[in-house]
Amino acid sequence: GAVVSQHPSRVICKSGTSVKIECRSLDFQATTMFWYRQFPKQSLMLMATSNEGSKATYEQGVEKDKFLINHASLTLSTLTVTSAHPEDSSFYICSATGVRGRRDTEAFFGQGTRLTVV
Amino acid sequence: AQSVTQPDIHITVSEGASLELRCNYSYGATPYLFWYVQSPGQGLQLLLKYFSGDTLVQGIKGFEAEFKRSQSSFNLRKPSVHWSDAAEYFCAVGAYGNKLVFGAGTILRVKS
Repeated sequence: GAVVSQHPSRVICKSGTSVKIECRSLDFQATTMFWYRQFPKQSLMLMATSNEGSKATYEQGVEKDKFLINHASLTLSTLTVTSAHPEDSSFYICSATGVRGRRDTEAFFGQGTRLTVV
Repeated sequence: AQSVTQPDIHITVSEGASLELRCNYSYGATPYLFWYVQSPGQGLQLLLKYFSGDTLVQGIKGFEAEFKRSQSSFNLRKPSVHWSDAAEYFCAVGAYGNKLVFGAGTILRVKS
């Protein structure tokens, strides 16, 4: 299958600072990327959907100003956690698909980023 | 609204025994269904998917799943479990806009 690379795999930051997480599709053009958050021992919750060249669409309850998503190219999307606080500590996972808007396509997942805010 | 239910939070099976992980979905249109596996601290790997056609789907690592529309189920099975299968398994339904709606996950433990 296609390869999606997420970086960094782990990051520890101080409260109040910002952290950027990158998600790259290495061998295909990702027209749509998704950002998920996973709390310990829980399922993945979709945070936002980003289509290349467009503003991200956030799920209900997700703070747009806190979780900034940029999808400026067909191979890269970034999630910036601004003014991070300990409650933002979580596992963040991106996924990417090369086909926009269809349900019957496979999304490929990155390895995830473990964010710890101290 | 679409939803996925995985009724078993934890399952423990002996190595070599058969496995069935349950998944029920709720979706208003034709469901596109997926099973993913996640090892600790890792991303998700697709095991198999159902879009249409044969309701018994074969996947990687010896897994299979059967789509039963009448029961709104998409249970994952494996005839003989290996210790390396210990992980967390997620069932998901594909929703509009390529979104995936995930179940809560089932943690599989394998006894040697």
